[in-house]
Amino acid sequence: GAVVSQHPSRVICKSGTSVKIECRSLDFQATTMFWYRQFPKKSLMLMATSNEGSKATYEQGVEKDKFLINHASLTLSTLTVTSAHPEDSSFYICSARVTSGISEQFFGPGTRLTVL
Amino acid sequence: QKEVEQDPGPLSVPEGAIVSLNCTYSNSAFQYFMWYRQYSRKGPELLMYTYSSGNKEDGRFTAQVDKSSKYISLFIRDSQPSDSATYLCAMWEGAQKLVFGQGTRLTINP
Repeated sequence: GAVVSQHPSRVICKSGTSVKIECRSLDFQATTMFWYRQFPKKSLMLMATSNEGSKATYEQGVEKDKFLINHASLTLSTLTVTSAHPEDSSFYICSARVTSGISEQFFGPGTRLTVL
Repeated sequence: QKEVEQDPGPLSVPEGAIVSLNCTYSNSAFQYFMWYRQYSRKGPELLMYTYSSGNKEDGRFTAQVDKSSKYISLFIRDSQPSDSATYLCAMWEGAQKLVFGQGTRLTINP
């Protein structure tokens, strides 16, 4: 149980295009989902916290107009990187917190974004 | 000072050795302590989760929390090459975001 999926696993796009990444909790409901960015050999950097039905809360320094987050249901959150540039190339990971009151947080497999 | 400190390593040990991974923290409000394992180019996988002080054992893995010293540990017994990964500690006080350590890169040599 407690599986989180991400799609796509890898995407290559041209500079200036927008890319959407989906995060789904497959066997549980998640009122809270998180989006992280990870650089090579570095720890996870929280970008934003997404609550179902409300606006995402962005961490300091993260451009909310560039990284659009939508949490449309208890099992789906999306991250859209708008007008992507090469510096946006990174490993993006989502996670979902179980809503049963336990503090466990489960991560997706990540999406490798490469902007040419 | 970072809220959570973790030696990034790399740490390299022979197969079968006991591995000790550690994190220290400064926020006394942390109550939940997690260890995640992350293989290269994969998302982190929750290994162990403990609440407050004490020990928790799961197979070859033991998580230990000492809140008085603000120190947590993960022990791996009979280490295997498949245990080679980056291990991240993470902590939560129950309201805000998880706070991660930097991660320790571990290699188990056959």
